[in-house]
Amino acid sequence: QVQLVQSGAEVKKPGASVKVSCKASGYSFSSHFMHWVRQAPGQGLEWMGIINPSGGSPIYAQKFQGRVTMTSDKSTSTLYMEMSGLTSDDTAVFYCAREAGSFDSWGQGTLVTVSS
Amino acid sequence: QAGLTQPPSVSKGLRQTATLTCAGSSSNVGDQGAAWLQQHQGHPPKLLSYRNNGRPSGISERFSASRSGDTASLTITGLQPEDEGDYYCSAWDSSLSVWVFGGGTKLTVL
Repeated sequence: QVQLVQSGAEVKKPGASVKVSCKASGYSFSSHFMHWVRQAPGQGLEWMGIINPSGGSPIYAQKFQGRVTMTSDKSTSTLYMEMSGLTSDDTAVFYCAREAGSFDSWGQGTLVTVSS
Repeated sequence: QAGLTQPPSVSKGLRQTATLTCAGSSSNVGDQGAAWLQQHQGHPPKLLSYRNNGRPSGISERFSASRSGDTASLTITGLQPEDEGDYYCSAWDSSLSVWVFGGGTKLTVL
C-alpha cells in the first residue's frame, strides 16, 4: 500500500532554515507528482507547491516563491521541502501528499516550530 | 491567489443529511471540478472524492460529490458521530497554474 513517511518534528530559531523529508513506498515513485501543503495551528490547508519526482522545475505558490525549494531523490524515493528565512508565522504542520487524481495519499505531517 | 469559498461551519443532526458547498470560478471548480478532503483533529487529511466526483476505494457511499457550474458540493447522508470534522475542497486553477483550497467547513453532528 502507498506509504508516505515524513521526518520528525523540528524546532528552529527565527531566520533559520528547515528541511523536511517525505519517503515514499508502495508505488512507482516516478509515476506521481507530489504536493507540499502547510497547515498553521488551528488554520486551514495551504498549498505550497508541486514537484515531479522524475525531474523538471517544481511549481510553487506565489507566496512561497524564493523561500521554498522542493527536490527529489529517486535513488531513495524521497522528496524534500526546504524553507528558509523562517519566522514565527511559519510555525505549522507540513504535509506531503501524492497527486494521483487529487491528493490521494498523505504523509503523517511534520510539525515545525519557529521560536526564539 | 484566490481560494475557494466554503461556509465556516455546518451543523446537522444524527442520521440527517448535510450538504457542504465550495464556490469557485470558471478557471478552477468550473473547469476541472473539485476534490473533497476530510480531516479529523490531529490527523492528516483524507481524500473523500476526486475532482471527477469519483470515490476512492474504501470511502463510504454515504459521501457523494457533485458540481453545478462553478460550485462543487459534498453530500453526506445518514450522518454519524465520526463524520464530525473539517472538510476541505481543492481544485486546480488553470489560469493561475496553481492548486487552491477552500477555507474549510467544520461539520458538527448534533
